[in-house]
Amino acid sequence: EIVMTQSPAILSVSPGERATLSCRASQSVESNLAWYQQRPGQAPRLLIYDASTRATGIPGRFSGSGSGTEFTLTISSLQSEDFAIYYCQQNYVWPPWTFGQGTKVELK
Amino acid sequence: QVQLQESGPGLVKPSETLSLTCTVSGGSVRSYFWGWIRQSPGKGLEWIGYIYINGDTNYNPSLKSRVSISIDSSKNQFSLKLSAATAADTAVYYCARVCGGDCYPAVEYWGQGTQVTVSS
Repeated sequence: EIVMTQSPAILSVSPGERATLSCRASQSVESNLAWYQQRPGQAPRLLIYDASTRATGIPGRFSGSGSGTEFTLTISSLQSEDFAIYYCQQNYVWPPWTFGQGTKVELK
Repeated sequence: QVQLQESGPGLVKPSETLSLTCTVSGGSVRSYFWGWIRQSPGKGLEWIGYIYINGDTNYNPSLKSRVSISIDSSKNQFSLKLSAATAADTAVYYCARVCGGDCYPAVEYWGQGTQVTVSS
C-alpha cells in the first residue's frame, strides 16, 4: 500500500496570504494525484486531479504541481472560505487508492 | 446535478452486519464506477471498494473478507455490507461516484456522509 504523508499538519495563514501544502508518496505515483478540500461537517470536494488539473468550477487561485513522489497544492490568496482541511490522494495503484492524513489550514 | 444520499442504521451492534444504501439522483448508476469511502479520527479517509454496473467489484484488501458492494439499477442504488462489525468500523461512511473521462479515477461526487457507530 502506498503511504501518503502530508505536511504540515496545521498551517496558520492570514486572509490574502499564500498557502503552500505538501504531499509525499512512499513510492512514485507518476502524476496520478488528486487534492480534495473538506470544510467542517461537509464531504470532501475534488479540487485538483492529475496533480495539476483543476476540477470543474474550482477557482484559479488553487494550483497543483509535482510528479513522482513530491507534490504541492498552492492557494495563491486565501479567502475566508478556504479555511478547511486538505487531503491528497494517490490513484495510481489499486488496491487501494490512499489518502494523506490531511493539512488543516487555519486562520492566523 | 448528480446527488448521492446514504441511508441505513446509525448504530450497529458488534459482530453484526453494517448495511448502507446509496440512492443516486440526477444520473444513472448504469454509467461510471460507484464506491464507498469511510472516515474515522483514527484512520482518516479510507477507500472501502467500488463497483461497476456489470457487477465487477474491487475491494480494499484490509476489508475484503468482510465487505460486499452490490448495485441495483432498477432502483438507481448501490449498497454496502460489512460483516462482523467491530468498534474499529465506527466512522462516517460516504458513497461516491468516481470520475469518468479525464479525471478518472478521482472522486467527483460524494454523498453527505452518514455516521455509523458500532456499539452494544
